[in-house]
Amino acid sequence: SQQGEEDPQALSIQEGENATMNCSYKTSINNLQWYRQNSGRGLVHLILIRSNEREKHSGRLRVTLDTSKKSSSLLITASRAADTASYFCATTGTASKLTFGTGTRLQVTL
Amino acid sequence: ETGVTQTPRHLVMGMTNKKSLKCEQHLGHNAMYWYKQSAKKPLELMFVYNFKEQTENNSVPSRFSPECPNSSHLFLHLHTLQPEDSALYLCASSQDRPKLFFGSGTQLSVL
Repeated sequence: SQQGEEDPQALSIQEGENATMNCSYKTSINNLQWYRQNSGRGLVHLILIRSNEREKHSGRLRVTLDTSKKSSSLLITASRAADTASYFCATTGTASKLTFGTGTRLQVTL
Repeated sequence: ETGVTQTPRHLVMGMTNKKSLKCEQHLGHNAMYWYKQSAKKPLELMFVYNFKEQTENNSVPSRFSPECPNSSHLFLHLHTLQPEDSALYLCASSQDRPKLFFGSGTQLSVL
């Protein structure tokens, strides 16, 4: 069964606003990653949060993890047009299997 | 650039053709992967190689044949593909998982 599911599927905001994307998963994980993909390109790793961590920051990115709710969120603050991309969560389960979600398409307009 | 190079970037082939996708990583990683990305579907892991040895084959049809001659190079040989095989094929590498470094992909169209 699919492990990571992002919500919403698509998000459109204006430049300067914050963007929040959510990821839910079904089984226990060792860690969760967020990746970014520009149209027609490969995925780029953004941040990894381990199962014993609750929050992590990297520049304008803030990731939270709630293992009791089996969910994670990615917050991009002060968004820019260059942030327009698809964002994927990927979970690593106890068997070291990495599973990607279907992604959130973020559109940041000027 | 992520250090993972894929060629070609685009490929159009007929169902009777034979073609190969190439991936090269310059990061010194010990694992390489092939993923398939279709519209509105999660990334599908196809094959995994660790130190040139295939460690995973996720029930991929035999018309896809991987080859890993060394830890830096990975190929995906294609023959008698179907239109539903049209997708973005992504190569990735890692050093002891879980963080993956992806190439830019090959956009494949099967006519």
